[in-house]
Amino acid sequence: DSGVTQTPKHLITATGQRVTLRCSPRSGDLSVYWYQQSLDQGLQFLIQYYNGEERAKGNILERFSAQQFPDLHSELNLSSLELGDSALYFCASSVAQQVVWAGLTEGGGYTFGSGTRLTVV
Amino acid sequence: GDSVTQMEGPVTLSEEAFLTINCTYTATGYPSLFWYVQYPGEGLQLLLKATKADDKGSNKGFEATYRKETTSFHLEKGSVQVSDSAVYFCALIAMDSSYKLIFGSGTRLLVRP
Repeated sequence: DSGVTQTPKHLITATGQRVTLRCSPRSGDLSVYWYQQSLDQGLQFLIQYYNGEERAKGNILERFSAQQFPDLHSELNLSSLELGDSALYFCASSVAQQVVWAGLTEGGGYTFGSGTRLTVV
Repeated sequence: GDSVTQMEGPVTLSEEAFLTINCTYTATGYPSLFWYVQYPGEGLQLLLKATKADDKGSNKGFEATYRKETTSFHLEKGSVQVSDSAVYFCALIAMDSSYKLIFGSGTRLLVRP
C-alpha cells in the first residue's frame, strides 16, 4: 500500500456519461496531481491542487474538472465521456513543494496511487 | 517547455543480459531526475533518483547517472531478471511553480527466461 488511495479501481461506463474518480493523498501531503495514461499518449499531466487550490493545469479537457476538499482528498470529474477517454487515471501526492524541488525527501517526494481504469463503451 | 525523451520499446532481452534504456531531457536549469517503474496492473513506483549533476541513483541493481553535459539519465542494469519485466519511465521535475513530474513516453522491457 503506497498510502495514496484511488477509487474505484475499475469503471465501465457509456459514452455521454459522467464519472467521478476519487483520490486520498498520503497523510501529510498537501499536493495532489492527476495524470492520464493512455496507450498512445503516455503519461499526461492533467491538473494539480495544492492545499485546496488549483496550482497548475496541463492537457486537461474542458469536459474534465477537479477539486480538492478541506480534508485534502481530491476528485476528478469527467463528463460527456467519449471512447477516447478510456485510460488509466493516476493521482500522486507530494510533500511540501520546496522540499520536493530540493530533492531532499525519501522516495523522491511523490507517491502514486494504483490508478482507476476507465473504460468507455 | 521541459520535456523527456526515451528510447522506444519494447526492449526484449534474455535473462542475465545487460540493459540500457536511454533517456535525455530538455529543461531550463538542472531539475531532479527520476526513473519510475510500472509492473503489469500496478501503479508507478520510484526506482531511483538523482538531484544534481554527476549524481548516481541506484536501486535493486539499477543505476543511472545525471549527465549535465549530455542532458542524459540513462538507466542500466548489469544482469536483468524475468521479474524486471515492466514499463520504465524517465521523468523530471518541472522547474515552474507546479513542481509536477514530466514523463517520457515509457519503455516496455520484456525479459525472457
